[in-house]
Amino acid sequence: GESVGLHLPTLSVQEGDNSIINCAYSNSASDYFIWYKQESGKGPQFIIDIRSNMDKRQGQRVTVLLNKTVKHLSLQIAATQPGDSAVYFCAENPSSGYSTLTFGKGTMLLVSP
Amino acid sequence: DGGITQSPKYLFRKEGQNVTLSCEQNLNHDAMYWYRQDPGQGLRLIYYSQIVNDFQKGDIAEGYSVSREKKESFPLTVTSAQKNPTAFYLCASRWGTGSAGELFFGEGSRLTVL
Repeated sequence: GESVGLHLPTLSVQEGDNSIINCAYSNSASDYFIWYKQESGKGPQFIIDIRSNMDKRQGQRVTVLLNKTVKHLSLQIAATQPGDSAVYFCAENPSSGYSTLTFGKGTMLLVSP
Repeated sequence: DGGITQSPKYLFRKEGQNVTLSCEQNLNHDAMYWYRQDPGQGLRLIYYSQIVNDFQKGDIAEGYSVSREKKESFPLTVTSAQKNPTAFYLCASRWGTGSAGELFFGEGSRLTVL
């Protein structure tokens, strides 16, 4: 989900659960999408990316799903661990030739032991 | 180790002062970026540069200035004209100047105006 004002959407899960973080993107012409993880006071770290010609991509414990029909992106984290607690951002590359990323406002994931 | 180095990590400024945040990368990346992050917010683009001696304004460039005299360096100056400069500033870089590709981020600089 997207945030309003200063309050990030928060997803609270138990250790070992699967987590799903959602993101609605804005530009139907976007051709590339990324998920980043940001821990408090640090820079964002790359998790996984996907191009617009794909619907699904899997990494280690993470899966990204892309639904272009409804402009929706999701990040699935399997067997969530306390170390996964962070803010997660999706980002889109608006179109071919556009050289920057546009970021969503983030979702906070809290994992309790 | 290859990466992006931002300094200082914490910076305090009095109102009316200009401050410069450093960003250096040894990844041989062509493009470099500055983003601003406010609490509970996403990243907003300030300036970016795709090649030495050239840069473009992002969405919130007012009150900021940059230079790109070397490929490795992209310093950001927060001027006294920036009305609300207290924020977390992130520098990033990536390969090439084409459309797609991961941004590599530094660890950020937190600026507080006293």
